[in-house]
Amino acid sequence: EDQVTQSPEALRLQEGESSSLNCSYTVSGLRGLFWYRQDPGKGPEFLFTLYSAGEEKEKERLKATLTKKESFLHITAPKPEDSATYLCAVMDSSYKLIFGSGTRLLVRP
Amino acid sequence: SQTIHQWPATLVQPVGSPLSLECTVEGTSNPNLYWYRQAAGRGLQLLFYSVGIGQISSEVPQNLSASRPQDRQFILSSKKLLLSDSGFYLCAWRRLSGEVGYGYTFGSGTRLTVV
Repeated sequence: EDQVTQSPEALRLQEGESSSLNCSYTVSGLRGLFWYRQDPGKGPEFLFTLYSAGEEKEKERLKATLTKKESFLHITAPKPEDSATYLCAVMDSSYKLIFGSGTRLLVRP
Repeated sequence: SQTIHQWPATLVQPVGSPLSLECTVEGTSNPNLYWYRQAAGRGLQLLFYSVGIGQISSEVPQNLSASRPQDRQFILSSKKLLLSDSGFYLCAWRRLSGEVGYGYTFGSGTRLTVV
């Protein structure tokens, strides 16, 4: 069965304190691994797509990496505006998107 | 450009009442459409998806149903709401071409509270 597990469930950082979020997955026929950002009361907003092991993508203070079993979202020198829930999802061979339960990130000034 | 609209944004309904949530997509044709539910502090659970008019696939047995009366319209319904139907409902779309790209594009969601 396809499964996505994210850790930690919640993370509190001081502004400027770098850290990483983990997403481990099992999926039949991976078409892509996705990272989304979700603000309270809003729909998820696309951040990155990763297709194969070894791939990396960067956007501002965020960097996503992918191995055969997991993905990491690295946050460098975060700011309070980076506070949100970060969702990881995998797209299986039938184009269904399966989500993890997310990591709630709080960055304190 | 493509946009997705969902309404209403918030809804408070009594137990046993009917439900109808609507989602429309603009700027594209023949999209794949999806309904997800997100319980408080949880991830997104896929409820229904549709690859075309009148074609609905259910992922989870439940008190809800979905319909697709037009190419770019997706409706989530219930005849009698339960307390457990409370949650944040999200509609999403994907191009049918097989391109993976951005995954799904999501609407702004409907917060449903059943009282």
